[in-house]
Amino acid sequence: DAGITQSPRHKVTETGTPVTLRCHQTENHRYMYWYRQDPGHGLRLIHYSYGVKDTDKGEVSDGYSVSRSKTEDFLLTLESATSSQTSVYFCAIRRELTGELFFGEGSRLTVL
Amino acid sequence: DAKTTQPPSMDCAEGRAANLPCNHSTISGNEYVYWYRQIHSQGPQYIIHGLKNNETNEMASLIITEDRKSSTLILPHATLRDTAVYYCIVRVDTNAGKSTFGDGTTLTVKP
Repeated sequence: DAGITQSPRHKVTETGTPVTLRCHQTENHRYMYWYRQDPGHGLRLIHYSYGVKDTDKGEVSDGYSVSRSKTEDFLLTLESATSSQTSVYFCAIRRELTGELFFGEGSRLTVL
Repeated sequence: DAKTTQPPSMDCAEGRAANLPCNHSTISGNEYVYWYRQIHSQGPQYIIHGLKNNETNEMASLIITEDRKSSTLILPHATLRDTAVYYCIVRVDTNAGKSTFGDGTTLTVKP
């Protein structure tokens, strides 16, 4: 499972509140990703990181920010949550030698 | 990264081979084809990948056409536990290699 842990696994919050999701890995991978998945749809890339303090936007980055102050943690922040950000969020790491992605178990966020 | 096209759904009888097609007609020479699957609401699981040669592992086989514009994932003996959404993606295997997932194919294996 590539040692990926997401927290919290479930969260219910209210519109306008800040939310931070954490992705923790134990295998020292350079590349980390945040995706969101909405019912009946595939995964859409929010942000990704290619090293400590090195991040870039994905296809649906509006309303989200990320930080990576150390290799093992990649944080996704919703500064002011909206109902449209209700979704399941998946973190992933990429194994550099072989290129495949390994995903966490997901964090289900509900914004009321 | 090149865009992929997959049928939205397919059925397969248990014990038979499941052949899942993927079209990637705009693939570039340095782009790999990757397959993942997602069971229920779990995180996607890596299955197999290839560049231009056919590949096989313990889970599946990947057949890539000579012109590389399409590929087929083969599950040789499908079981009920293979019921899942299967994603075909293509990407360059360099730098961040950010991957874009489409809507995939929902495979239903029936007894």
